[in-house]
Amino acid sequence: EPEVTQTPSHQVTQMGQEVILRCVPISNHLYFYWYRQILGQKVEFLVSFYNNEISEKSEIFDDQFSVERPDGSNFTLKIRSTKLEDSAMYFCASTPPSRNTEAFFGQGTRLTVV
Amino acid sequence: AQKVTQAQTEISVVEKEDVTLDCVYETRDTTYYLFWYKQPPSGELVFLIRRNSFDEQNEISGRYSWNFQKSTSSFNFTITASQVVDSAVYFCALSESMTTDSWGKLQFGAGTQVVVTP
Repeated sequence: EPEVTQTPSHQVTQMGQEVILRCVPISNHLYFYWYRQILGQKVEFLVSFYNNEISEKSEIFDDQFSVERPDGSNFTLKIRSTKLEDSAMYFCASTPPSRNTEAFFGQGTRLTVV
Repeated sequence: AQKVTQAQTEISVVEKEDVTLDCVYETRDTTYYLFWYKQPPSGELVFLIRRNSFDEQNEISGRYSWNFQKSTSSFNFTITASQVVDSAVYFCALSESMTTDSWGKLQFGAGTQVVVTP
């Protein structure tokens, strides 16, 4: 069964460093998303991406964040100058052209900023 | 304002008991979807069920069933004859963006931790 793949599964970075979280959505999906879940809290929407541009972003998604689809398969989330409070699980999701289905989530990348 | 409210933070049951998880949502849209996801200790989000706003028929799928009532804006979820493997955090979620390119944007509740003991 097709699945959304995220790498790495766990990343530790020093405060102030830049990190890139990678996702490979399901191949025929057209809509891509990033979500964040701070430990013990709810899952929060960050950004949606369609047709090579941001469709919608939340208040959390400030200038520190950026997304990119650098090639036909990868979808990345870049966090510049990481802060301690960026420590969280980051989920990538994708949805197919049909709206009559659910979002497919990756297994998540746990980011730890030290 | 909270769009999705899960008032129960934790429910503890003994194996084989039924567990009902409450979810109340808020939306002005007439077209929307509601979801339940499970997050086991390993951390991934596992899709369980999806319901659209036009279909209030309640169903049973294996040990899972749900009760969708638009009149009270509730979308409750029941696990029948719980098992230890059901121990997880369960999230209710709402998608309001069905007519936009962000239709996969979900608004999650705070989650309910279910603990099933043998």
